[in-house]
Amino acid sequence: KNEVEQSPQNLTAQEGEFITINCSYSVGISALHWLQQHPGGGIVSLFMLSSGKKKHGRLIATINIQEKHSSLHITASHPRDSAVYICAVLFGGSNYKLTFGKGTLLTVNP
Amino acid sequence: NAGVTQTPKFQVLKTGQSMTLQCAQDMNHEYMSWYRQDPGMGLRLIHYSVGAGITDQGEVPNGYNVSRSTTEDFPLRLLSAAPSQTSVYFCASSRLAPYNEQFFGPGTRLTVL
Repeated sequence: KNEVEQSPQNLTAQEGEFITINCSYSVGISALHWLQQHPGGGIVSLFMLSSGKKKHGRLIATINIQEKHSSLHITASHPRDSAVYICAVLFGGSNYKLTFGKGTLLTVNP
Repeated sequence: NAGVTQTPKFQVLKTGQSMTLQCAQDMNHEYMSWYRQDPGMGLRLIHYSVGAGITDQGEVPNGYNVSRSTTEDFPLRLLSAAPSQTSVYFCASSRLAPYNEQFFGPGTRLTVL
């Protein structure tokens, strides 16, 4: 079965800390998304990756295709980064169906 | 641009009632999809569409119908609501297919009593 696993489930950090959230998947993929969901529900897209690394502000996303693993890093974390971070993948045999991880709840304390 | 809009924001139904959740986008996106989000579970795909007149089932399609008569609109119909359909529903859209950036609506919180 095609699966997406995220770790950790919950993460608490102090403002300024470097954060890493992990996503592993079971079989080959054609794309991987990182999404952010704030309390109150809205979901926004952060990155789409098929290889390598992307950076946007304090956020960095990497993917290792051979190891079937992606990481989302947040540098100099801030309380406004508190949210659920969701990994979603497009498995190689499913051109139109995204499979989602359960999310990582990040809390950044001042 | 309004992006992806969903109505209503909240809805309470009784078991057996039917209703339609509305989703519209103004970005001329070909791909539209419906998800449900339940506590402790990831978002799960209900139905999707790759263009007007073309729809297909996702992971959890039972109890739901969709149609896509225009590029802009993708309504989700609950045929006979059940308590198991209590959830938060999100509509999303993207260019062509889900290897492109996904744009999500604000969600509809549905309670079935």
